[in-house]
Amino acid sequence: DAGITQSPRYKITETGRQVTLMCHQTWSHSYMFWYRQDLGHGLRLIYYSAAADITDKGEVPDGYVVSRSKTENFPLTLESATRSQTSVYFCASREGERRNNEQFFGPGTRLTVL
Amino acid sequence: AQSVTQLGSHVSVSEGALVLLRCNYSSSVPPYLFWYVQYPNQGLQLLLKYTTGATLVKGINGFEAEFKKSETSFHLTKPSAHMSDAAEYFCAVMDTGRRALTFGSGTRLQVQP
Repeated sequence: DAGITQSPRYKITETGRQVTLMCHQTWSHSYMFWYRQDLGHGLRLIYYSAAADITDKGEVPDGYVVSRSKTENFPLTLESATRSQTSVYFCASREGERRNNEQFFGPGTRLTVL
Repeated sequence: AQSVTQLGSHVSVSEGALVLLRCNYSSSVPPYLFWYVQYPNQGLQLLLKYTTGATLVKGINGFEAEFKKSETSFHLTKPSAHMSDAAEYFCAVMDTGRRALTFGSGTRLQVQP
């Protein structure tokens, strides 16, 4: 399927466990992003990547790790999940440097940490 | 640093009434501004964007927004609300360095029959 996909769509885990959220895009967009959505905060940037093997922190990176060995994939790992990481996570991608290029969003992963 | 403020976390209108969702931004450079819509349990979909040029921007589903530099605003409007417009709406500004978006906290639009 063309576009941007996320898996799993729903995940329940326990405090202290490692969790990896997957993101895959078929457009070969250079930029990819991870956001989390929490009530009252809108979406906040966790990490972003400008190209394969280039990643950098966003506004709320603590407790998260990312990698980007291939252009099309951008997994997000919670190394030791905490309840405060219960959220909806959105992956996004965009092409190139032009500021007016659209950013496309995946359907989201709803993560619950018990 | 850029920021976005959306006034009103919840807005309720009657079907057929004017929709006005407010957005104010802060940016040290000429801003690129976006409105996204999110339907329940879905991702975000671009409604419209302002980059340069005409300050009145038309988007999908009959929505439009006007960029007003003097007021640092980018309010979203629709002349006549439809039941299908019920959703959450996010205003965002482009981060020039990271090419990421800085979002407002969102406005949930409810449309009453």
